[in-house]
Amino acid sequence: EDKVVQSPLSLVVHEGDTVTLNCSYEVTNFRSLLWYKQEKKAPTFLFMLTSSGIEKKSGRLSSILDKKELFSILNITATQTGDSAVYLCAVAPQRGGKLIFGQGTELSVKP
Amino acid sequence: DAGVIQSPRHEVTEMGQEVTLRCKPISGHDYLFWYRQTMMRGLELLIYFNNNVPIDDSGMPEDRFSAKMPNASFSTLKIQPSEPRDSAVYFCASSRTSGSPDTQYFGPGTRLTVL
Repeated sequence: EDKVVQSPLSLVVHEGDTVTLNCSYEVTNFRSLLWYKQEKKAPTFLFMLTSSGIEKKSGRLSSILDKKELFSILNITATQTGDSAVYLCAVAPQRGGKLIFGQGTELSVKP
Repeated sequence: DAGVIQSPRHEVTEMGQEVTLRCKPISGHDYLFWYRQTMMRGLELLIYFNNNVPIDDSGMPEDRFSAKMPNASFSTLKIQPSEPRDSAVYFCASSRTSGSPDTQYFGPGTRLTVL
């Protein structure tokens, strides 16, 4: 059975800290891995990764994929209170079809 | 561009009533997905369509749930009869085959409460 596992499930840090969120997966026919941020509303798209070792970066957020070890990490540097959210990892096992979501990591950034 | 539009944003109903949730995908998107999110089970895919045709409905909980997509710009998810355990946030998402088909864009969700 395809599955995506995220760790930790929750994390509390202080502003300015750097955090690393983990996502491991076991799926057939891997196509891509996606990261979403969910505040108290709909998930919003952050990154899509398809190739190993190539870092995607957007401001203070970055992510990388390891297709050999079947995991991805999402790094957030110099965290701010606005980074507080649930971060969801999802894997696409086939083109344009369903995404398989992990359970999410709830990040809380304290001032 | 307008994003995915869902209505209503909140719905409170009594057990046994029929509930209809509505979704308008992003124009030009040919995939449409219905998800349900709860604290216990996280984000679950219920059903998805490609070019208005249902492709995979294996996530639909039971016969009380049904979904239709009569045209490229409209879809409904119906629950009849509703039960308290159906209380959740229901999201609609869409994506397109050209470009980045794996990237799904989510609507604001409908928060359903069944009393």
